[in-house]
Amino acid sequence: DAKTTQPNSMESNEEEPVHLPCNHSTISGTDYIHWYRQLPSQGPEYVIHGLTSNVNNRMASLAIAEDRKSSTLILHRATLRDAAVYYCILRDASGTYKYIFGTGTRLKVLA
Amino acid sequence: NAGVTQTPKFQVLKTGQSMTLQCAQDMNHEYMSWYRQDPGMGLRLIHYSVGAGITDQGEVPNGYNVSRSTTEDFPLRLLSAAPSQTSVYFCASSYSGGRANYGYTFGSGTRLTVV
Repeated sequence: DAKTTQPNSMESNEEEPVHLPCNHSTISGTDYIHWYRQLPSQGPEYVIHGLTSNVNNRMASLAIAEDRKSSTLILHRATLRDAAVYYCILRDASGTYKYIFGTGTRLKVLA
Repeated sequence: NAGVTQTPKFQVLKTGQSMTLQCAQDMNHEYMSWYRQDPGMGLRLIHYSVGAGITDQGEVPNGYNVSRSTTEDFPLRLLSAAPSQTSVYFCASSYSGGRANYGYTFGSGTRLTVV
């Protein structure tokens, strides 16, 4: 299974943009890049996903490197409610269903 | 639409007892899975299922059994509880097959303590 690597923790000031990096150097051509976040005492929730092109939705943006070996989740204006653990995961479209989480990045947002 | 429903929310077991954690989804998702999350750690995959009648092992399957008799339900059975199984358990579901562009929906978790 392809593996992802994320920093253990990051800090951001409220109302500022946050860039959360993820390395996935062993990504295969059929892997989608998914991001989830887990708020304290809750289950993970889906944030965004992409394959090759950059993606935007109401929660965040996903920037994918041209070689697809890394990606960055962008929160345009961090709020205190964005404090969570963010997970970057690869989901294989070719039929492997093991959806493996790493340890994620704990984001702290400072008021 | 209830999404993914897990019961119970909290449970205390004595060592050696058995129990079943329930998971149900109403989204007609083919794929369902169970994760455990130990304090301060990420999620680890226990078992998963790609459809009714089909199950497979994840990263940490020992001590757990699953079955998938219907699309909606995916119960997780602890055969003989051990303190090492103290954890928060999450159930998740998703569309399956080639639809890897769909995300997962997670339940709110079951907090299990084995004493």
